[in-house]
Amino acid sequence: QKEVEQNSGPLSVPEGAIASLNCTYSDRGSQSFFWYRQYSGKSPELIMSIYSNGDKEDGRFTAQLNKASQYVSLLIRDSQPSDSATYLCAVNNFNNNDMRFGAGTRLTVKP
Amino acid sequence: EAGVAQSPRYKIIEKRQSVAFWCNPISGHATLYWYQQILGQGPKLLIQFQNNGVVDDSQLPKDRFSAERLKGVDSTLKIQPAKLEDSAVYLCASSSLQGDGNTIYFGEGSWLTVV
Repeated sequence: QKEVEQNSGPLSVPEGAIASLNCTYSDRGSQSFFWYRQYSGKSPELIMSIYSNGDKEDGRFTAQLNKASQYVSLLIRDSQPSDSATYLCAVNNFNNNDMRFGAGTRLTVKP
Repeated sequence: EAGVAQSPRYKIIEKRQSVAFWCNPISGHATLYWYQQILGQGPKLLIQFQNNGVVDDSQLPKDRFSAERLKGVDSTLKIQPAKLEDSAVYLCASSSLQGDGNTIYFGEGSWLTVV
């Protein structure tokens, strides 16, 4: 079983729609969760972090965490063509500060 | 605040040659990571340092890869001899043990092509 699993996509949504990206993880000791965006040919950049169960909103982005189900998601509202990128889910265990990444979901937002 | 610096940005070498990548983390960040990202895949952790000690190198191919962080700041990742399957982006990242929940920040990456 992979430590962090994501659907590879591609996920295609029309401009203005909601894009929903999902991630599951295997380490129950994980304590912090991150979404990174990676444009083609660039390094990952942090979009959001979440540490507690529930929702966390930042502009058009909402991260959702359910530790019991070992599930974290990212919603992008009013999707824009500039949101087209690969979205990486990352999970960290504070005990060893060990950050593990999923394979990423490629999102395409069509004008 | 300066970000994570890496060099060189691009390198093309022949198989069986050697290559070294350098990383300077964000000032004050105790934890430094080297990730390998093959095209179409997520970053894979090669080695993690905390200060100048190794925390995790379980996925580092030690027969050909080595890394050091002698003074707890800069780090060097070396590959010798390189294989075709080592073609990838080598991402250096750093994080602080305090404050921001262990968020890691990436450098621009070093792109390696082995021919």
